[in-house]
Parts: sequence; C-alpha cells; structure tokens
Amino acid sequence: DAKTTQPPSMDCAEGRAANLPCNHSTISGNEYVYWYRQIHSQGPQYIIHGLKNNETNEMASLIITEDRKSSTLILPHATLRDTAVYYCIVRAPRDSNYQLIWGAGTKLIIKP
Amino acid sequence: NAGVTQTPKFQVLKTGQSMTLQCAQDMNHEYMSWYRQDPGMGLRLIHYSVGAGITDQGEVPNGYNVSRSTTEDFPLRLLSAAPSQTSVYFCASSSSTGYSGNTIYFGEGSWLTVV
Repeated sequence: DAKTTQPPSMDCAEGRAANLPCNHSTISGNEYVYWYRQIHSQGPQYIIHGLKNNETNEMASLIITEDRKSSTLILPHATLRDTAVYYCIVRAPRDSNYQLIWGAGTKLIIKP
Repeated sequence: NAGVTQTPKFQVLKTGQSMTLQCAQDMNHEYMSWYRQDPGMGLRLIHYSVGAGITDQGEVPNGYNVSRSTTEDFPLRLLSAAPSQTSVYFCASSSSTGYSGNTIYFGEGSWLTVV
C-alpha cells in the first residue's frame, strides 16, 4: 500500500497558486517527503523535497506540518505547462530497501 | 549533460521474443533502477542496483533480468515477452551521497508493446 494519500484530481486557474495536499500519517523520523511530477507520460521530474522545515526552490514551495503527517506543494503562479500528474513520496535518504511506493498521484489541470 | 538515456523509445515485440532495454547515465550515480508504469497507475519497481556487480529485485521482477557490469549501464532484459509486459518502462539513477536525501533522475521512457 502507498504510504501517501493524495486527491485524484484538482483544477486550478492559470496565474493562481496551486496547492496540492498530501497525507503521510505513518512517516518515519528519517523519511523525507519528495514531490515529482509527470507531464504527459514523460519521465517523472523532480520538484522539491524536505524533512521538517518548509522548503522553496525555483519551481515550488513545500510546506510540511509540524507533526510531519501531511504536506502541501505550492506552485505559486500556475501556468498551462504545469498540467501534470503530481506524486508525493516519502523515502529515507539511504533506504537500503530502495523501494519507492508510488501512488496514483494527483492529476492537476490548469485552466486558462 | 545527457543525464539518463534510454533506448529504444518504442518497441513492438511478438509474444515469446526476448529483448534488452538499454539504460545509461553519465552522472556517476551508484543507484540505478528500472520501473514500469501501466496506464493510470504509479511506477512499480522491477529491479534495482546499488553499485556495479550488485542487483536486487523490486516489487515486480518476474519475467525480467538485469546486470550491472559498469557504473554507467543498467540493461533490462525481457526473457520471453508476454502481453502483460506491455507497458512504459523508466530507468532511473541517483547518488548514494548527499546531505539531505538523494534526488532520483529518470529517463524519458521506453514504450513496449507485446502482441
């Protein structure tokens, strides 16, 4: 079973902030939260990751709750090119098992 | 920087045929892996390698074989293709080092159809 829970789909207006939620209530202390996206069956693209603190890069911001049981990916000014499936994954940095559990993700549709 | 390169991009096989999907990375990453993705689903791990000469099974290894003779290359072999192996295959690599996790880089995918 996937370690994360995401809504299957979301809409967002172009130019607005897109907020994608993820629940990971069973996350372990050494597991990071990663976000990837997949545009039209291309290879998944790394977006951002974090452990405890909020993170920001040129693509997005990641807000992790204090109890670390949930997080939100924020695309500050969504464009049509941000239409994709977004995956939230939890993973230990040097996980010897190397098993990544990918759920079905959230299909984000940006509307003009 | 080419990153992760997969070939071929598209392939049609007949049931029972064998073939090899090639994967190469130029980032000197220790970790490499193969995933398959069926329509509307997330990725599932087939096999992975933590370094040259070391491979292990993932979630769905049956019908596939891998080897890792060099750091750069990680080919995936389909031994006797079956229609159930029709899927999109992604190769990925990541470094074992890093102060905060290790980002995984993916190839562009190989579309395989078994008829």
